[in-house]
Amino acid sequence: EVQLVESGGGLVQPGRSMKLSCAASGFTFSNYGMAWVRQAPTKGLEWVATISYDGGGTYYRDSVKGRFTISRDNAKSTLYLQMNSLRSEDTATYYCTRDRYNSVYDYWGQGVMVTVSS
Amino acid sequence: DIQMTQSPASLSASLEEIVTITCKASQGIDDYLSWYQQKPGKSPQLLIYDATSLADGVPSRFSGSRSGRQYSLKIRRPQVDDSGIYYCLQSYSTPGTFGGGTKLELK
Repeated sequence: EVQLVESGGGLVQPGRSMKLSCAASGFTFSNYGMAWVRQAPTKGLEWVATISYDGGGTYYRDSVKGRFTISRDNAKSTLYLQMNSLRSEDTATYYCTRDRYNSVYDYWGQGVMVTVSS
Repeated sequence: DIQMTQSPASLSASLEEIVTITCKASQGIDDYLSWYQQKPGKSPQLLIYDATSLADGVPSRFSGSRSGRQYSLKIRRPQVDDSGIYYCLQSYSTPGTFGGGTKLELK
């Protein structure tokens, strides 16, 4: 059974940093691209970042470019999102997703809440 | 960025109807279109990919189609459990963009 379990969320002050993790199991992690998708409270879904199966390619939405870094450790089957210089508009539930191919997200984690507030 | 205009924003349907939700792309997306269902308090789930392909385990009452730049999700004889918010996603170009969502209530 495919499982994606996020961790690392919480309350953080504006301008500070936070790192999210996503532990994957039930599939060969190194064979798949992975992505983070977020959802602000009561809002819709928004793609944040994608990383290729081997970590060789990373892609970001403009609003997080230069502040967020997506990475992975295939030996640990774990995906990460390092978030720096956080802003109030980054407040959202962050979902770890498996990229089946061409940004089709066939499995999602349960989500982790990040609240950026003073 | 490609804009995905999803409609309606909400609808209430009976269990005997055919529910149709549409997404219109601001430019051609070559069928790189997927549909997701999100139930209250839960993570989204993949329903349809490549515009018309049913994801594993998804009931056959769900189907996807295209007409020009407009993509549709149809639910034949919906069940109460199909209540939730539905989103389309284009993955033709980066950034992938979601539609605004359709809240479906079954009565």
